[in-house]
Amino acid sequence: AVQLVESGGGLVQPKESLKISCAASGFTFSNAAMYWVRQAPGKGLEWVARIRTKPNNYATYYADSVKGRFTISRDDSKSMVYLQMDNLKTEDTAMYYCTAGGSTTGPFAYWGQGTLVTVSS
Amino acid sequence: DIQMTQSPPSLSASLGDKVTITCQASQNINKYIAWYQQKPGKAPGLLIHYTSTLVSGIPSRFSGSGSGRDYSFSISNVESEDIASYYCLQYDNSRTFGGGTKLELK
Repeated sequence: AVQLVESGGGLVQPKESLKISCAASGFTFSNAAMYWVRQAPGKGLEWVARIRTKPNNYATYYADSVKGRFTISRDDSKSMVYLQMDNLKTEDTAMYYCTAGGSTTGPFAYWGQGTLVTVSS
Repeated sequence: DIQMTQSPPSLSASLGDKVTITCQASQNINKYIAWYQQKPGKAPGLLIHYTSTLVSGIPSRFSGSGSGRDYSFSISNVESEDIASYYCLQYDNSRTFGGGTKLELK
């Protein structure tokens, strides 16, 4: 079965950095685009970042709200995806979910349990 | 960027009712819309993709329709386990979620 397990969340101060991780299993990770989606407390869902596969040159895409501050990366040898978050702002406080899906399964068909990032002084 | 306007933000229904949620895109999204259910404290789950394709294992009381800019999602015969928040997602160009609809029991 597909499993996505996030880790690395925590409490940080504004302008600090944090790197969260997602361990994937149960599917051919190297063939899958990977995504991060976040949800601020009591709010809706927001797509954050996307990384494509090696044949697509590991192209990356970001929501305007995080562009220039967040960096998504992947390690196919470890079936891991990461989100490096720099210059964090209080509005980045959210549950961060790792997600995956495809043309046959549908977009964001698989989700992790999430990791909570709190940005506060 | 494509914007998704989802309505209503909240919905009150009795068991057995039919409810409908709509999403309007800021431009044609060519039927690339999906619908998710989220219960408190849980990650969202995919119910429907490509407008009307039901994910395996999802009850047939859930359905979706639409084209162009306008799409709808319905639950016929609402059951207690359907009480949750629902989100649309366009994936024609990048990814954009609607604002969500909270379904409550009347």
